[in-house]
Amino acid sequence: DGGITQSPKYLFRKEGQNVTLSCEQNLNHDAMYWYRQDPGQGLRLIYYSQIVNDFQKGDIAEGYSVSREKKESFPLTVTSAQKNPTAFYLCASSNRKTPGAAQEAQHFGDGTRLSIL
Amino acid sequence: GEDVEQSLFLSVREGDSSVINCTYTDSSSTYLYWYKQEPGAGLQLLTYIFSNMDMKQDQRLTVLLNKKDKHLSLRIADTQTGDSAIYFCAEKKSSNTGKLIFGQGTTLQVKP
Repeated sequence: DGGITQSPKYLFRKEGQNVTLSCEQNLNHDAMYWYRQDPGQGLRLIYYSQIVNDFQKGDIAEGYSVSREKKESFPLTVTSAQKNPTAFYLCASSNRKTPGAAQEAQHFGDGTRLSIL
Repeated sequence: GEDVEQSLFLSVREGDSSVINCTYTDSSSTYLYWYKQEPGAGLQLLTYIFSNMDMKQDQRLTVLLNKKDKHLSLRIADTQTGDSAIYFCAEKKSSNTGKLIFGQGTTLQVKP
């Protein structure tokens, strides 16, 4: 079945460490997104990519980095510069070629919960 | 502005109807979406409406859009305990980035 796979489901970070969250999709979507969700809050956009080898900062990019070397993959690195990384991280993808509400809807993975050791 | 606002909490009894409200500020929005998030999971697309429509019905779900007031609502008929979740509305602007702007989410509690 087509979908978005995030791994790991739970991740722990030590002080001063960089950690990388994986996001893979087999939906043949051009666009991919990373969101951060804190308890009782909505989704905040970290980075997004509309095409391979290109990405843009979202609203809260500081302390994070991404790459988009393959269409299927959009890994997120939480760097040591991110002082409050504890959150639920969600990856999404969408079709950018076919217009329409259903076609352009974002599809989400099951998330990665990151905590500090 | 880019704010999408939702009330944070709604409690209903099983079998009643639930109405979750959302307001947005950008009149150039093209599509508006409703997503459902169960505990510890990602967001699941429930339904959507074009900005030039007033209403859309899909089984137990009815979406109403008042474009003049920039008000969107999701009505769930015959609410079940399995409907307990967080519901997010999201707007897609007319710009060509694919970005969605999400509300804070409404937690729906269904009491047996």
